[in-house]
Amino acid sequence: SAVISQKPSRDICQRGTSLTIQCQVDSQVTMMFWYRQQPGQSLTLIATANQGSEATYESGFVIDKFPISRPNLTFSTLTVSNMSPEDSSIYLCSVETDEAFFGQGTRLTVV
Amino acid sequence: KNEVEQSPQNLTAQEGEFITINCSYSVGISALHWLQQHPGGGIVSLFMLSSGKKKHGRLIATINIQEKHSSLHITASHPRDSAVYICAVKGPGYKLSFGAGTTVTVRA
Repeated sequence: SAVISQKPSRDICQRGTSLTIQCQVDSQVTMMFWYRQQPGQSLTLIATANQGSEATYESGFVIDKFPISRPNLTFSTLTVSNMSPEDSSIYLCSVETDEAFFGQGTRLTVV
Repeated sequence: KNEVEQSPQNLTAQEGEFITINCSYSVGISALHWLQQHPGGGIVSLFMLSSGKKKHGRLIATINIQEKHSSLHITASHPRDSAVYICAVKGPGYKLSFGAGTTVTVRA
């Protein structure tokens, strides 16, 4: 199993600013996944973060907008850059071991 | 068309009723997950299935690989079961594909 600590749990940000979300896992994992959940929608994969290499981004997501760090096998950050109201969503990190484990989510509101 | 289809989209039940949520998928999979999301946004893994049936407390999950279909049952439903239930499948590769979710409301 895995326990993921994600923070912040929520934030209200001004447009044009950036927010960095952190996820700490209590065990070493090869891949960490970052998801976005827009209001009323299901989860959309933003990128897969591997330690020691650049993240792999899904179609529609770019590194300049969502830079990711993965300095070791237990930690990752996702930055939402130059935010606009359209970035208001829940952002979640996830790992898979024997099951899928998720952080508590970051509820972001951009005003 | 989404690879993963859930039904119903919304469900309201009286406390004590038996609830069934269905999930159909269109690709070959190695595993299927049932997830629970509460209003705060956090997601909890309920089950991971690759075949057969699993039970945990009042929750039962079944999967039929040949028919590409899974069901999640909640017996003796309770207001604390009110949440969004999400089906996710792992197809070819390492990524999960998610259903749109079923919003369950259980009234006391």
